[in-house]
Amino acid sequence: DAGVTQSPTHLIKTRGQQVTLRCSPKSGHDTVSWYQQALGQGPQFIFQYYEEEERQRGNFPDRFSGHQFPNYSSELNVNALLLGDSALYLCASSSTGELFFGEGSRLTVL
Amino acid sequence: GIQVEQSPPDLILQEGANSTLRCNFSDSVNNLQWFHQNPWGQLINLFYIPSGTKQNGRLSATTVATERYSLLYISSSQTTDSGVYFCASMEYGNKLVFGAGTILRVKS
Repeated sequence: DAGVTQSPTHLIKTRGQQVTLRCSPKSGHDTVSWYQQALGQGPQFIFQYYEEEERQRGNFPDRFSGHQFPNYSSELNVNALLLGDSALYLCASSSTGELFFGEGSRLTVL
Repeated sequence: GIQVEQSPPDLILQEGANSTLRCNFSDSVNNLQWFHQNPWGQLINLFYIPSGTKQNGRLSATTVATERYSLLYISSSQTTDSGVYFCASMEYGNKLVFGAGTILRVKS
């Protein structure tokens, strides 16, 4: 049983560019959440998708957007990248209750 | 929203020693999870424990929901236990709120 998978694992962008990160949930899970983890901090909630709609959103600007597809996979898009967007981006999937996380996508903005 | 506090922030142990990590949360919760973050960044699920006690090998966890805290016990620590331990409680709508983590270093 494949767990939560994310791609790419590492990427480097420059300020002002746009990035798309991808996530495939654990089999049987229909809810996908995205988290941002800056160095030395705990993960911070970005938003959550269920039934292809954004169900809940954390305190992140509109530059952060997402999408969920009919097969429950999800994308996180970040526009107009800032240096402060450098972080580990974690995807989590769930059905009821317990969340399971992928290995993350480490984004560096130069 | 819920506030989650973890203690201690750092912990250094000799291999074979036992330890207790604590997680306090500010409001009643219906989900409490403990994670171990490995050096590559992946969050490994340790326990899903809204209340009560669970054990998995050398690790066990207890959550006392009425008193708003959870404890993670690590017995006979090994160098592979090193890393960052997070607790996270769930707010309305399946949003996890994480503590700042406990950095554990186990020396051989």
